[in-house]
Amino acid sequence: AQKITQTQPGMFVQEKEAVTLDCTYDTSDPSYGLFWYKQPSSGEMIFLIYQGSYDQQNATEGRYSLNFQKARKSANLVISASQLGDSAMYFCAMREGYSGGGADGLTFGKGTHLIIQP
Amino acid sequence: DAGITQSPRHKVTETGTPVTLRCHQTENHRYMYWYRQDPGHGLRLIHYSYGVKDTDKGEVSDGYSVSRSKTEDFLLTLESATSSQTSVYFCATQGPGQRGSGANVLTFGAGSRLTVL
Repeated sequence: AQKITQTQPGMFVQEKEAVTLDCTYDTSDPSYGLFWYKQPSSGEMIFLIYQGSYDQQNATEGRYSLNFQKARKSANLVISASQLGDSAMYFCAMREGYSGGGADGLTFGKGTHLIIQP
Repeated sequence: DAGITQSPRHKVTETGTPVTLRCHQTENHRYMYWYRQDPGHGLRLIHYSYGVKDTDKGEVSDGYSVSRSKTEDFLLTLESATSSQTSVYFCATQGPGQRGSGANVLTFGAGSRLTVL
């Protein structure tokens, strides 16, 4: 079973609209961390935002926020006021166990290709 | 950002030849990782290292080996490359989170595109 599911392979959004990218996860570990990365067409992986399983509030980072619904095992990325430069692949990822760190790497979803239209 | 350099950035090779990809970091991070990225699969973990000479397998380790003789260097070797190993390979290190996120995040190198003919 997939640990990270991103159900939207691709999305088209008008510039300045808000965008929600879906991510659901599967784990039985009570301690975990959820991450979002952006990969523009140039190929680099850019860390956007993090949410720990014990965090009481949804994470925010500038125009990015994470809509964390623990009971539904959902960690959707919300981008407010989208810009042309937001066009990229977006990956949701999870670390199980000690959410803040540890040797284990991240498990990634398959990604969502977001295209912002003018 | 962690200074992570991958080499080579691009390589074309033939089936059956050995290939070594190098990852060099300047941040003294303990943990290092090799991922491969393929369309429709996202990023999948190949091997990781939790210290000098300490490595472990990831999700897709068959056909790959790694070595870490120094903190700063993590090598990925394909002993006998196959066409199924055509991919983009990313090295990553784990270090303190940015902007007080409270988590150790993975920082990635620029990637190495490998084509096996």
